[in-house]
Amino acid sequence: QSVLTQPPSVSGAPGQRVTISCTGSSSNIGAGYGVHWYQQLPETAPKLLIHGNSNRPSGVPDRFSGSKSGTSASLAITGLQAEDEADYYCQSYDTSLSGWVFGGGTKLTVL
Amino acid sequence: QVQLQESGPGLVKPSQTLSLTCTVSGASISSGAYYWSWIRQHPGKGLEWIGYIYYGGSTYYNPSLKSRVIISVDTSKSQFSLKLSALTAADTAVYYCARGDSGNYHLDYWGQGTLVTVSS
Repeated sequence: QSVLTQPPSVSGAPGQRVTISCTGSSSNIGAGYGVHWYQQLPETAPKLLIHGNSNRPSGVPDRFSGSKSGTSASLAITGLQAEDEADYYCQSYDTSLSGWVFGGGTKLTVL
Repeated sequence: QVQLQESGPGLVKPSQTLSLTCTVSGASISSGAYYWSWIRQHPGKGLEWIGYIYYGGSTYYNPSLKSRVIISVDTSKSQFSLKLSALTAADTAVYYCARGDSGNYHLDYWGQGTLVTVSS
């Protein structure tokens, strides 16, 4: 069972907007640590999508955005495209573990 | 361009020790700005942080694996390594090395991953 909680799956039609939630606790997200998001395409390594709650690395389209509030965070994807079909993971730091924690992952299906 | 590449055996017997190496190029492994990290992913499952090593040799391990893990660094070869002992079938996974940002705790560069199967 993952320390951070994500929905197992979300779906949307091309062009639509979807959001993926990530819920933590007072020892990680709620303690003020940043939330980061990764995209994992089939059979590939995860790729950093969002860092520090809402910052996009160079090369990541602005269709991807992140936000954080309290003990939760969200990843939003607008203008959904077929190539966005992937698994998405959130990650933060946990003080009780003195290490990194991940969400269980959310599979995005583009209908 | 920063690149990380895992190397090691793809098949290991139960009770043995797994040894993996990550070779880093395009970045200084001696930099205090980064945590050199290992993460694994069981087949069809999510990501699990194993541990990381920091400039100067400080290490931090996932409490669930701490008794079996050793991470070390060889700055002369720009490599860091993972040793995981007392293997069982439950350790079968894809093992990734990655660079972690020491200020923000995100993982900005990843290796391609290597599948390790524990089986007799």
